[in-house]
Amino acid sequence: DAKTTQPNSMESNEEEPVHLPCNHSTISGTDYIHWYRQLPSQGPEYVIHGLTSNVNNRMASLAIAEDRKSSTLILHRATLRDAAVYYCILAYSGYSTLTFGKGTMLLVSP
Amino acid sequence: DTEVTQTPKHLVMGMTNKKSLKCEQHMGHRAMYWYKQKAKKPPELMFVYSYEKLSINESVPSRFSPECPNSSLLNLHLHALQPEDSALYLCASSQAVGPLYEQYFGPGTRLTVT
Repeated sequence: DAKTTQPNSMESNEEEPVHLPCNHSTISGTDYIHWYRQLPSQGPEYVIHGLTSNVNNRMASLAIAEDRKSSTLILHRATLRDAAVYYCILAYSGYSTLTFGKGTMLLVSP
Repeated sequence: DTEVTQTPKHLVMGMTNKKSLKCEQHMGHRAMYWYKQKAKKPPELMFVYSYEKLSINESVPSRFSPECPNSSLLNLHLHALQPEDSALYLCASSQAVGPLYEQYFGPGTRLTVT
């Protein structure tokens, strides 16, 4: 199974951009890259996903390396509400659901 | 409406009790999931339903019994649980199974087994 590697934690200041990295060197050609986040005492929340091209939505941007061995979730202006655990997950074409890793805990300071 | 609702929010049960967790979505999704999350750990998949049929059971003990009565509703029946089953139980849904579809999660039921 292709796995992801993320830093255990990162810190940011409010209103600054945040770049959350994820390595997935054994990714296969049909694996989608998903990002979810989990705020304290809540269920996980979908953030963004992509296959090969960079993706943007109202919450974030996803930058995927050309060789697809890594990706970066970009929060353009961090707010205190963005403090959460961020999970980078590979979704396999042959398996119908998500396998969560340990994720990155993002701390945001005022 | 992108909401998945779960009831109850909290549940305390003894090891000889029978209880049920309920999950509901009205997004027309045809895939529904149960996850278990222990404190400070990531969620772990338990069951997947696709078009109201059980498609994945991640070797979950039989004291957990899922049920999908219709496309909007998912239950998890609990019987003879152990204290180590205390956890946050999360329900999720998606348009269908597969890597293309994002999952929407409920807030969870926090279960304590005494």
